[in-house]
Amino acid sequence: AQTVTQSQPEMSVQEAETVTLSCTYDTSENNYYLFWYKQPPSRQMILVIRQEAYKQQNATENRFSVNFQKAAKSFSLKISDSQLGDTAMYFCAFTQGGSEKLVFGKGTKLTVNP
Amino acid sequence: DGGITQSPKYLFRKEGQNVTLSCEQNLNHDAMYWYRQDPGQGLRLIYYSQIVNDFQKGDIAEGYSVSREKKESFPLTVTSAQKNPTAFYLCASSMRIHPYGYTFGSGTRLTVV
Repeated sequence: AQTVTQSQPEMSVQEAETVTLSCTYDTSENNYYLFWYKQPPSRQMILVIRQEAYKQQNATENRFSVNFQKAAKSFSLKISDSQLGDTAMYFCAFTQGGSEKLVFGKGTKLTVNP
Repeated sequence: DGGITQSPKYLFRKEGQNVTLSCEQNLNHDAMYWYRQDPGQGLRLIYYSQIVNDFQKGDIAEGYSVSREKKESFPLTVTSAQKNPTAFYLCASSMRIHPYGYTFGSGTRLTVV
């Protein structure tokens, strides 16, 4: 069974600084997709960024970028120029190609301090 | 605007009572899902449905039931057999083959007293 591990239950960062959230996953498949979701205090889940495993280029969305290391099965999220609105739970998620099910990590609580 | 609507936002029930959580989507998505979220546990899959009139158990289906009579609707019933029902419940939907991820509802907080 696929698993997703987020080893940092909580992190904090100063406003305007950069922070990296870690995620590792376990799969024997070659075709899969990885996601980072943000859950702010409102508890609405918001898709931050996604990565197709067959693409070597790391995905980027404005201040959010990933470091996808396929051989190491690592998928970290880098947030640049952190803003107070980035304070949230962040969940890493995995799905196998052709499957509809997402497997989530347990999340990292990020606090951005002024 | 297209989206997923979960209702109610907060729900209180007495122990031993069944309760049904509503989830409706107008995104024309084929697949729908129910997740349970507990502190420190992440999201755990309860049930999912890929097409109308068909659904599959997820990792923690015991004590829950679902139906999928319409493409737009996927209600979840928390039965009295669920030993620890107090939790935050999230509904989501996706296209059948979904490299784009899920669209989530805003969740229902269920408290059983």
